[in-house]
Amino acid sequence: DAKTTQPPSMDCAEGRAANLPCNHSTISGNEYVYWYRQIHSQGPQYIIHGLKNNETNEMASLIITEDRKSSTLILPHATLRDTAVYYCIVRALRTGANNLFFGTGTRLTVIP
Amino acid sequence: NAGVTQTPKFQVLKTGQSMTLQCAQDMNHEYMSWYRQDPGMGLRLIHYSVGAGITDQGEVPNGYNVSRSTTEDFPLRLLSAAPSQTSVYFCASRLTGPITTEAFFGQGTRLTVV
Repeated sequence: DAKTTQPPSMDCAEGRAANLPCNHSTISGNEYVYWYRQIHSQGPQYIIHGLKNNETNEMASLIITEDRKSSTLILPHATLRDTAVYYCIVRALRTGANNLFFGTGTRLTVIP
Repeated sequence: NAGVTQTPKFQVLKTGQSMTLQCAQDMNHEYMSWYRQDPGMGLRLIHYSVGAGITDQGEVPNGYNVSRSTTEDFPLRLLSAAPSQTSVYFCASRLTGPITTEAFFGQGTRLTVV
């Protein structure tokens, strides 16, 4: 699975959009981009995933560049409850184990 | 539907003691796994299983044993606890079909080995 690079920390004002970048320059054509978050040492929580089209769900939007070498997770209106560590993970969708490998992520702090 | 349940939530062990961390899921997921998370670090994969009777090693398997006798349960055994195994342990489960998306995590077991 391709390696990802994320900034170690970011701040965002409450109510503003939080834009979390992720670089994955060695991503392969069959690899998806996944985002998980971990709030205050709880178990990680799935947010969203995508291949090459932009994706949106009730939690966030995922914007993937045309060359797929980077992506941005957008929390449109950040709240204090969005303070967490956000993990960008790249892996292929295939049967079997298909393990998730976590890096150190981006620690997002939402400021009142 | 309880999701992924881990017990205990907290545990203190003395060096050399053994114990089993329990993980159970009620979503009929084939895949289950164990991670450990040390302070300031991401999660590291210990062992995983793609179905009953099948287990395999992850990134950091040494010092841990697992078994998968049922779909629902995936216990993690520490045979002889060491201070280096002080960590937070997370269990996860998901489906294993070609469309594998969301993994569900338990709330963690905080283990201290003194």
